[in-house]
Amino acid sequence: EAQVTQNPRYLITVTGKKLTVTCSQNMNHEYMSWYRQDPGLGLRQIYYSMNVEVTDKGDVPEGYKVSRKEKRNFPLILESPSPNQTSLYFCASSLSTGGNYGYTFGSGTRLTVV
Amino acid sequence: GENVEQHPSTLSVQEGDSAVIKCTYSDSASNYFPWYKQELGKGPQLIIDIRSNVGEKKDQRIAVTLNKTAKHFSLHITETQPEDSAVYFCAAANYQLIWGAGTKLIIKP
Repeated sequence: EAQVTQNPRYLITVTGKKLTVTCSQNMNHEYMSWYRQDPGLGLRQIYYSMNVEVTDKGDVPEGYKVSRKEKRNFPLILESPSPNQTSLYFCASSLSTGGNYGYTFGSGTRLTVV
Repeated sequence: GENVEQHPSTLSVQEGDSAVIKCTYSDSASNYFPWYKQELGKGPQLIIDIRSNVGEKKDQRIAVTLNKTAKHFSLHITETQPEDSAVYFCAAANYQLIWGAGTKLIIKP
């Protein structure tokens, strides 16, 4: 089944403790992206990647890091999480760069930073 | 910067009636317009899309219309059912996807 897999689904952590949210897709998609979703603010892009070793900032990149060492994986790293990073996070992939093909989203990761 | 405005933010309709969600975009070079449905506890899912060389597209009970001159596009859902209750997002793409803020659709039994 074609899908984007995120882990974990739920995570509660403490301020300053480094964490990684994993994202993997099995569709050989070139484009991958991370979003955060907050009430009243819709979907905001954090980082995106057009291909292996090619990443770029989205609208809200502060406090996040990403890497794209393999085509299928695009982990999101929070080096020192803070409470304002409490949010619902989605990974998405697409056949090609930009938005000209449909996105496949993961099921989401609900992160709480206390 | 480029933006997409989506209205209304909340829409409540009687089961069986039609629902219309409207979006306006600012980048005249946008050429791809997808619609996503997000059910509670899930990620957004692509339900229909349209490209700039097409004015209307239908898929069973859902349809999307595009007016490039006015820079707006709309989602139409006919004969609404309880399972249509969700948050709907529009988006417009040139080289990057710009999202609307979402519409919460409530289907009243």
